[in-house]
Amino acid sequence: GQSLEQPSEVTAVEGAIVQINCTYQTSGFNGLFWYQQHAGEAPTFLSYNVLDGLEEKGRFSSFLSRSKGYSYLLLKELQMKDSASYLCAVIDSNYQLIWGAGTKLIIKP
Amino acid sequence: DAGITQSPRHKVTETGTPVTLRCHQTENHRYMYWYRQDPGHGLRLIHYSYGVKDTDKGEVSDGYSVSRSKTEDFLLTLESATSSQTSVYFCAISEGTGDTGELFFGEGSRLTVL
Repeated sequence: GQSLEQPSEVTAVEGAIVQINCTYQTSGFNGLFWYQQHAGEAPTFLSYNVLDGLEEKGRFSSFLSRSKGYSYLLLKELQMKDSASYLCAVIDSNYQLIWGAGTKLIIKP
Repeated sequence: DAGITQSPRHKVTETGTPVTLRCHQTENHRYMYWYRQDPGHGLRLIHYSYGVKDTDKGEVSDGYSVSRSKTEDFLLTLESATSSQTSVYFCAISEGTGDTGELFFGEGSRLTVL
């Protein structure tokens, strides 16, 4: 079967750096998305990776290793507004999106 | 922000009653999706559409049907609601798949089946 694994919860301190991991086992790979979802709201797009390496977008970066079936989202200079769930999703060989269950990020002052 | 709206945003209904959720987009995107989101689960695809009158099942399609008679509207129907269908339902749209597959989500519809 296909699976994506993410930690259910991560805690970090305001101003610090945090890494949220996603490992996947899917039939084929055609890209990986990260979305942010605040409580009670809809998911919103953060990043898309299809090649190995690090993509940087301001305070947020996303890394991909296709050979290891692994990605992480790196958030720098954490702010309280970054408290949210972070969802990873992989596009498989049939161009279907497979979703992880999400990681809840808790930020402490 | 993508123009995508869902209605109703909240609904409480009784077991056995029919329910229809509506998704409306103003972006003219080809693909439309219905997902459900439950605690401890990722987003799970119910049905999707790749054009007018072109729809296909997702991983959790049992008990649900959809229709897309116009590009802008995608309806999700629960013919006879059950308590297991209590969930938050998200509609999403995208221009394409793969690297054009970025999803834009509606605000969600919270359905409670008593």
